[in-house]
Amino acid sequence: GAVVSQHPSRVICKSGTSVKIECRSLDFQATTMFWYRQFPKQSLMLMATSNEGSKATYEQGVEKDKFLINHASLTLSTLTVTSAHPEDSSFYICSARDLGTSGDYEQYFGPGTRLTVT
Amino acid sequence: GQNIDQPTEMTATEGAIVQINCTYQTSGFNGLFWYQQHAGEAPTFLSYNVLDGLEEKGRFSSFLSRSKGYSYLLLKELQMKDSASYLCAVTDSNYQLIWGAGTKLIIKP
Repeated sequence: GAVVSQHPSRVICKSGTSVKIECRSLDFQATTMFWYRQFPKQSLMLMATSNEGSKATYEQGVEKDKFLINHASLTLSTLTVTSAHPEDSSFYICSARDLGTSGDYEQYFGPGTRLTVT
Repeated sequence: GQNIDQPTEMTATEGAIVQINCTYQTSGFNGLFWYQQHAGEAPTFLSYNVLDGLEEKGRFSSFLSRSKGYSYLLLKELQMKDSASYLCAVTDSNYQLIWGAGTKLIIKP
């Protein structure tokens, strides 16, 4: 099956610094990647949709200047949390959609990145 | 608005059967997914339904009724490792996934 990786799996950073999270589709080309955030005991919250070669589409309430998304190739999307604050501490999950196979628009999830801002 | 409802928590006994329901109201429908999520991990795909009826996959089955806006996930022969959250998600007319809040399933020996 399709595999999506994320790096790093865990990161601790100081308040005010920036953190970059990478999301890669390993064995398929992903024209669309999604970035989610999940707080404890809550469901996934879509932050933005990223299409290769174009600007990301952000969900309402998500600051595009704070959460920078770059989808420069068909296998890589990055999320940079700029000037991180403790309230940004969360579980960040990416997913990638492979339109080339089943056509059912299934999203394949990365393993997630646990961000802790101190 | 778009809305997906599923129970917050359910408890079942090892070896038994449990049914997790999901009702949805979305702008358009292009399929319904069930995902399993263990604490601290990303969701993993369980099933996909786009036509009415029952899809069986081993111990897990998923049912869909589009006219009723209703789905359920049926888990048989429950094992302790099935303790997890089960997320229902619907693909709307824009092929965006709309997520339910998830059902936490607790399996007791």
